[in-house]
Amino acid sequence: GEDVEQSLFLSVREGDSSVINCTYTDSSSTYLYWYKQEPGAGLQLLTYIFSNMDMKQDQRLTVLLNKKDKHLSLRIADTQTGDSAIYFCAESMTTDSWGKFQFGAGTQVVVTP
Amino acid sequence: NAGVTQTPKFQVLKTGQSMTLQCAQDMNHEYMSWYRQDPGMGLRLIHYSVGAGITDQGEVPNGYNVSRSTTEDFPLRLLSAAPSQTSVYFCASSPGLAGAPGQFFGPGTRLTVL
Repeated sequence: GEDVEQSLFLSVREGDSSVINCTYTDSSSTYLYWYKQEPGAGLQLLTYIFSNMDMKQDQRLTVLLNKKDKHLSLRIADTQTGDSAIYFCAESMTTDSWGKFQFGAGTQVVVTP
Repeated sequence: NAGVTQTPKFQVLKTGQSMTLQCAQDMNHEYMSWYRQDPGMGLRLIHYSVGAGITDQGEVPNGYNVSRSTTEDFPLRLLSAAPSQTSVYFCASSPGLAGAPGQFFGPGTRLTVL
């Protein structure tokens, strides 16, 4: 089956940029997503990118997609303590009426003062 | 809109007991799904539904049943709880191809089976 892989942990100083990386295996992915999960909460959709795009920027978030290498990254500029959370990469294929989602294991981001 | 709601938030069961986890959404979304989250394993799809009256199995369906009699509700039933079903369960909904990509998640139910 398809796999989505992420590094498990990232530590970053407040004010620095964070970069979270993800690799996926299914070249037919249509959309790729980044979700954020704060402690004790559900997943919150942060942003997504369509597979024919290379980059998407949304305020402090920048998503880069390298389709050739099947690599997705999320850059958070000026990281704040409120950005401490688990970040999940996910992919979906919409070749049929149901877009099935495949999630990575999540990257724990810890922001230190 | 309340979004996706789940009840209960916490539950402790004994092995062999049955229970139903409730999920409801008020966004008129076609698609609903159930995931379980275990440490280091991300989210794994249990069952999903593409509309009222239509359900299908995901990656880890054994020990769970679902039904979808209305657009709003998608309950998950544990028939005979086992310790391996100790997990955090998330319900999610999405509008399908007619709407924006991505899923909306509920706050989760933390289940412990003793």
